[in-house]
Amino acid sequence: QSVLTQPPSVSGAPGQRVTISCTGSNSNIGAGFDVHWYQQLPGTAPKFLISTKGTRPSGVPDRFSASKSATSASLAITGLQTADEADYYCQSYDSSLTASIFGGGTKLTVL
Amino acid sequence: LQLEESGPGLVKPSETLSLTCSVSGGSFTSRTDYWGWVRQPPGKGLEWIGTVSYAGHTFYNPSLKSRVTISLDTPKSQFFLKVTSVIAADTALYYCARHDSVYLLDVWGQGTTVTVSS
Repeated sequence: QSVLTQPPSVSGAPGQRVTISCTGSNSNIGAGFDVHWYQQLPGTAPKFLISTKGTRPSGVPDRFSASKSATSASLAITGLQTADEADYYCQSYDSSLTASIFGGGTKLTVL
Repeated sequence: LQLEESGPGLVKPSETLSLTCSVSGGSFTSRTDYWGWVRQPPGKGLEWIGTVSYAGHTFYNPSLKSRVTISLDTPKSQFFLKVTSVIAADTALYYCARHDSVYLLDVWGQGTTVTVSS
């Protein structure tokens, strides 16, 4: 059971918009710690995608956006493409656990 | 900047898992960089194991702290992971990565698979 809760799977058609939620608590997201999102394509290492503070590596399209509210965060992907099919993980820091923590991951399927 | 993990792919139960991460193509001594280990059991999610700073300060996941040691060799641009008394649940894909002070992991190695089995 992960400290950060993500839906196991989401899906959408090409061109559509999907969101992936990441629910935490007052000791992590709610405490103001940044939330980072990673994309893991099949058989590859995770890749940093975007942070809720707006940090985004060059090369990541602005179809990907991140937001945070209270004890939750979200990753939104617009203009879905088949290349977006991957597992997505959120990550933050927990002050009670004194540890970096990950969500359980969400598998995105582009129908 | 590139990171590459290396080490035995098979470890016997109760023995020690030892991995090396070699860093190339960039600075290993920046004061803003931290060097961490993350693992991913087969078919499961990511778990942060621990981190070492450029100065050698270490931070561990409390759930693994009693069995984990992370260290670095600055002249060789390498950092290391040791996990003692391994069990089957330590079987995973182990990644090394660079991160900043807020644990943003921006450069990852390709990962190395470690299987715990007799």
